[in-house]
Amino acid sequence: EAQVTQNPRYLITVTGKKLTVTCSQNMNHEYMSWYRQDPGLGLRQIYYSMNVEVTDKGDVPEGYKVSRKEKRNFPLILESPSPNQTSLYFCASSQNRDYGDTQYFGPGTRLTVL
Amino acid sequence: GENVEQHPSTLSVQEGDSAVIKCTYSDSASNYFPWYKQELGKRPQLIIDIRSNVGEKKDQRIAVTLNKTAKHFSLHITETQPEDSAVYFCAGGDSGSARQLTFGSGTQLTVLP
Repeated sequence: EAQVTQNPRYLITVTGKKLTVTCSQNMNHEYMSWYRQDPGLGLRQIYYSMNVEVTDKGDVPEGYKVSRKEKRNFPLILESPSPNQTSLYFCASSQNRDYGDTQYFGPGTRLTVL
Repeated sequence: GENVEQHPSTLSVQEGDSAVIKCTYSDSASNYFPWYKQELGKRPQLIIDIRSNVGEKKDQRIAVTLNKTAKHFSLHITETQPEDSAVYFCAGGDSGSARQLTFGSGTQLTVLP
């Protein structure tokens, strides 16, 4: 089954404790993105990746890191989480630009930073 | 970069009535405009999209219209049903750009029985 998976789905942590949210897709998609969703602000892009070892900042990259060592995986790293990073996070993937831009979203990770 | 504005932020309609959600975009290079539906506690899912080479697209009770000159596009849902209640997001982007999509802030649609 074609899908995007994220782990963990829920996470409560404390300020400053490094964490990683994993994202994996099995559709051989080139493009992967991370978004955060906050009430009234819609989905804002954090980072995106065009392909392996190619990543770039989105609209709200501060406080986040990503890596793309394999095509299927695109982890989101919070080196020193702060309460303003409490949010709902979605990973998404899409086929390369020649085939259109339909994005498939993961199930989301609800992060609370105390 | 692209800026997408979406209105209204909340919309209540009676079951069977039509609902219209409108979005404007700023970047004339944008050529792809999808709409996503997000039910409570679930992930956004694509419901319809339109590319800049067409002015309208329909899929059963859902339609999207695009006015490139005015830089706005709209989602139309006819004969609304309670299961249409959800948050709807519009988005815009240039399919030739790695940045892909910029999303609107969302519209909470409530269909009243």
